[in-house]
Amino acid sequence: EVQLVESGGGVVQPGRSLRLSCTASGFTYGDYAMNWVRQAPGKGLEWVGVIRSKAYGGTTEYAASVKGRFTISRDDSKSIAYLQMNSLKTEDTGVYYCSRDLWFDPWGQGTLVTVSS
Amino acid sequence: QTVVTQEPSLTVSPGGTVTLTCASSTGAVTSGSYPNWFQQKPGQAPRALIYNTSNKHSWTPARFSGSLLGGKAALTLSAVQPEDEAEYYCLLYFAGAQVFGGGTKLTVL
Repeated sequence: EVQLVESGGGVVQPGRSLRLSCTASGFTYGDYAMNWVRQAPGKGLEWVGVIRSKAYGGTTEYAASVKGRFTISRDDSKSIAYLQMNSLKTEDTGVYYCSRDLWFDPWGQGTLVTVSS
Repeated sequence: QTVVTQEPSLTVSPGGTVTLTCASSTGAVTSGSYPNWFQQKPGQAPRALIYNTSNKHSWTPARFSGSLLGGKAALTLSAVQPEDEAEYYCLLYFAGAQVFGGGTKLTVL
């Protein structure tokens, strides 16, 4: 079964950092790009960024709202994608999902990040 | 900054047909934007329905179809069922970045 599981969420103060993980199983992880998407409470979905597969250079792209603060990386040996979030703001609060490739399938169950003093 | 616009809400009767649209602030939506459509029910993660304009996943009910319509991406639901009540999001690709629409809350009433 193809599955994605996010972890690492929690409560953090503004200005601090947090790293999320997305652990994949059931497919050849290294062959796929991985996306991060977030959803603020009661709001819509927002694409955060993507890391391409090594075959496509392992390059990254980010939404303007997180560029320079968030970094996506991957460890293909462990089938994990990471989202390093620095200089967190209250508006970064929400559920963070990972999803596979250009067709965004599947999705994990999400992990909640709360940025609050 | 690119904005993707969807109808905030739509209502349809059971058994009816409804079309949700997805427009881009940069101009006409084309297949090059690789339109995706997702369904999200309360308390659940989103689920992919349509990819690359009109392609269905193996679990996508036949009553869902995707297309390009009048310069927009479109999701049409035919013979709507009560379980189709949900939030629907489109997603468009723009030169390396992806942008979600604001979502359409579909009520089946």
